[in-house]
Amino acid sequence: NAGVTQTPKFQVLKTGQSMTLQCAQDMNHEYMSWYRQDPGMGLRLIHYSVGAGITDQGEVPNGYNVSRSTTEDFPLRLLSAAPSQTSVYFCASTGTGGVNTEAFFGQGTRLTVV
Amino acid sequence: QQQVKQSPQSLIVQKGGISIINCAYENTAFDYFPWYQQFPGKGPALLIAIRPDVSEKKEGRFTISFNKSAKQFSLHIMDSQPGDSATYFCAATDYTGGFKTIFGAGTRLFVKA
Repeated sequence: NAGVTQTPKFQVLKTGQSMTLQCAQDMNHEYMSWYRQDPGMGLRLIHYSVGAGITDQGEVPNGYNVSRSTTEDFPLRLLSAAPSQTSVYFCASTGTGGVNTEAFFGQGTRLTVV
Repeated sequence: QQQVKQSPQSLIVQKGGISIINCAYENTAFDYFPWYQQFPGKGPALLIAIRPDVSEKKEGRFTISFNKSAKQFSLHIMDSQPGDSATYFCAATDYTGGFKTIFGAGTRLFVKA
C-alpha cells in the first residue's frame, strides 16, 4: 500500500533551471495539493486540485505550475528555479468522503537552488 | 497575512506534564479543524480533528478544545511523553472552497524525560 509517493527525495538545482516534482497516489482521492515547508513558516499551500482537469492557486503560487491529467498524478513544475524556492516540498492527497477527512502526505522532496 | 495563527513557536514540557498549543483563525468559512504531528524527516500525519459544531473532542491523551465565537482552538496533550516530541501543526479546511487546507506555522514540542 504505497499511499502518496513523491520523487525525487533530494534535488539540487542551479538558478534558472527547470524541473518537475512528481507526486502519485493510489487511494483514488479526488483532492490533491502541494505545500512548501520553511522554518518558522509552517506548511504553505502552493496549488491544489479537486479532481482531474481542475486546479487552483493556494497561498504562494508564484513560480510554480501544476496540471492534473489523471486522478493519480499531480506534478509540480518549477519553470525557472530561484534560491527563494529552496524548501521542502510536500504533496498531499485527501479523500473527500466520510466524516473524518484526512490528508495523507508524501515523504517530501528537499530542494536546494544554488 | 496568516489565515491560521499558531502559538507558541516552541514548547518544552516535563514528562507527565500537559502540553498546550493554541490556534486562531480568521475565515469563518473554515469548517474542519485538524491537528497534524510531524517527526523529523517525515511528512505530517493526522493526529486528531474537530468540526465546529462540537466544543471538545478527546482521543486518548489528546484533546481539542474549540471556541467558535472566538475563532480559536487548542490542542492539549495530557501526560506528555518523550515520544510526543515532534512538530505539531493546526490547520483549517474549507470544504465548500475546494477542500483547501491552510496550516499554522507549527509548534516544536520537546518533552524532557
